Amino acid sequence: EIVLTQSPGTLSLSPGERATLSCRARQSVSSSYLAWYQQKPGQAPRLLIHGASSRATGIPDRFSGSGSGTDFTLTISRLEPEDFAVYYCLQYGSSPLTFGGGTKVEI
Amino acid sequence: EVQLLESGGDLVQPGGSLRLSCAASGFTFRNYAMSWVRQAPGEGLEWVSAISTSVGTTYYADSVKGRFTIARDDSKSTLYLLMNSLRAEDTAVYYCAKLVEVATGTKPFPAYWGQGTLVTVSS
Repeated sequence: EIVLTQSPGTLSLSPGERATLSCRARQSVSSSYLAWYQQKPGQAPRLLIHGASSRATGIPDRFSGSGSGTDFTLTISRLEPEDFAVYYCLQYGSSPLTFGGGTKVEI
Repeated sequence: EVQLLESGGDLVQPGGSLRLSCAASGFTFRNYAMSWVRQAPGEGLEWVSAISTSVGTTYYADSVKGRFTIARDDSKSTLYLLMNSLRAEDTAVYYCAKLVEVATGTKPFPAYWGQGTLVTVSS
């Protein structure tokens, strides 16, 4: 299975700052089949990015994804108060699907 | 609007069985692959199982293979997860997810999620 490692584990930032989250795979993720999700306490995950860089419907353009192969990045250009949450990457190019361990973005 | 409503979560003893259901609405259920993803208390997300459309090809994580069975009833727009030989480590919130392809022939990904149902395995 493809193991995904997210870093850092926790990111402490202030509203208005830029957040850069990393997701690294031990082996190449085929065709950039990588997605990013946001999860707030007590809520289901919410899809942000699919195909490594395509924003899901309704997602603000301050969220952007990039990368290919084994290195992927989620960038939040200017943090809004509602962006403080946990973020997960998911590879869906091969079975089993695997998630990263998550990055918590906190104030 | 896509809606996924899970039910069936409960407290069950180790070795016991449980059936989870996910009632879908707001889309043509039979046209979409579906999946279950779980999250242990305070932990990250873990993919559990998926089922394709029509033929109903199934996929499982190694951690549940042989114990869990995913199934679908397209006439009822409902997804199921039959869970046997439950263990303490199966304790989690179980989410149902609709898988979406961006184009025919590409790999689908979980795009819409229900709110989850809690399964607790404990004596």
